[in-house]
Amino acid sequence: GQNIDQPTEMTATEGAIVQINCTYQTSGFNGLFWYQQHAGEAPTFLSYNVLDGLEEKGRFSSFLSRSKGYSYLLLKELQMKDSASYLCAVGAGNNRKLIWGLGTSLAVNP
Amino acid sequence: DGGITQSPKYLFRKEGQNVTLSCEQNLNHDAMYWYRQDPGQGLRLIYYSQIVNDFQKGDIAEGYSVSREKKESFPLTVTSAQKNPTAFYLCASSTGRTSETQYFGPGTRLLVL
Repeated sequence: GQNIDQPTEMTATEGAIVQINCTYQTSGFNGLFWYQQHAGEAPTFLSYNVLDGLEEKGRFSSFLSRSKGYSYLLLKELQMKDSASYLCAVGAGNNRKLIWGLGTSLAVNP
Repeated sequence: DGGITQSPKYLFRKEGQNVTLSCEQNLNHDAMYWYRQDPGQGLRLIYYSQIVNDFQKGDIAEGYSVSREKKESFPLTVTSAQKNPTAFYLCASSTGRTSETQYFGPGTRLLVL
């Protein structure tokens, strides 16, 4: 079957660094996405990885290892506004559908 | 500004009533999607369309219907056959290339009276 696993909840302190992991098992792989979703709002796109390695974009970085079926999202210099749910999604197969994880709810404390 | 709009922001449905959720995009995207989000269940795909006048069922299509008569528009009808329609409904679009990034509208929250 096709499955994406990510931790349900995480907490961190303002100014710190946090790593949110995502593991996946899919038939086929066309890329991995990270989205941020604040409570009551729509998801917003953060990053896309299709090749192995680290992609850095400001305070956020995303890593992919295709051989291990593993990705992580790294958030540096945490701010209170980073408190949100972080969704991992994988593109698999020949269609445009994404397989979604359940999301990791991150709470940033002062 | 380019983007995706959904209306209304909140919608109330009475028992036995059909309601239609609007989704419009001016990004010139070929593909459009409808998702349902319930607490603790993540995003579930209802219907998607890769091109005008064509659409496919997603994982939870029962009780829903769609049309794609124009590239910009992908309305979703929640029919009376959908017994548990209370949820947050999200529309998204992408260029249509395989695994291209999906961009979301602000969502419609549907509540049953």
